[in-house]
Amino acid sequence: DVKVTQSSRYLVKRTGEKVFLECVQDMDHENMFWYRQDPGLGLRLIYFSYDVKMKEKGDIPEGYSVSREKKERFSLILESASTNQTSMYLCASSWSGGGREQYFGPGTRLTVT
Amino acid sequence: GQQVMQIPQYQHVQEGEDFTTYCNSSTTLSNIQWYKQRPGGHPVFLIQLVKSGEVKKQKRLTFQFGEAKKNSSLHITATQTTDVGTYFCAGWARMNYGGSQGNLIFGKGTKLSVKP
Repeated sequence: DVKVTQSSRYLVKRTGEKVFLECVQDMDHENMFWYRQDPGLGLRLIYFSYDVKMKEKGDIPEGYSVSREKKERFSLILESASTNQTSMYLCASSWSGGGREQYFGPGTRLTVT
Repeated sequence: GQQVMQIPQYQHVQEGEDFTTYCNSSTTLSNIQWYKQRPGGHPVFLIQLVKSGEVKKQKRLTFQFGEAKKNSSLHITATQTTDVGTYFCAGWARMNYGGSQGNLIFGKGTKLSVKP
């Protein structure tokens, strides 16, 4: 079974803090994704990566950056957390090629106070 | 930009009733995927449809892909309490002809509640 794990299930941070969300997948997937999920807005793509050290902006990259130094690990960084970044963050991975199904991690619920 | 609209946003049914959610894309899709997210859980892949007019079944769930590959539906027959959750469609369209790059665009989901 594909397993995608995220470093924290729940996280509380203060405004202005630098926040790291980690995601690890164990299926040697080339593609990895970061989404945020908010009520009524569905899943919105923040960043994705097709390969190590590669990154592409999604629909809402502002205020976020990512890092992919190893194939299995994809990190989401909030340089200076703000209250409007309070959300559920979901990591996903998939095999290479177009339109492959995505496997999601359990999510990190981040609260910024 | 490309959009995937999903309706209804919410559906409340009595156990045993049928349920349908619909997905419409502004552009022609290469494939469409369906995911289910249980309350407190994460989206889990259910199925992928690729061919025009394709119909696939998983027990009480029937998935259809429209002839024009711009719409899709998920129908659940005789709902059970285990069907509770949010159902998402996700459409994939190639960014360039013959290429493998593209975006998987998620609908906003239909939240299904089932009254026993």
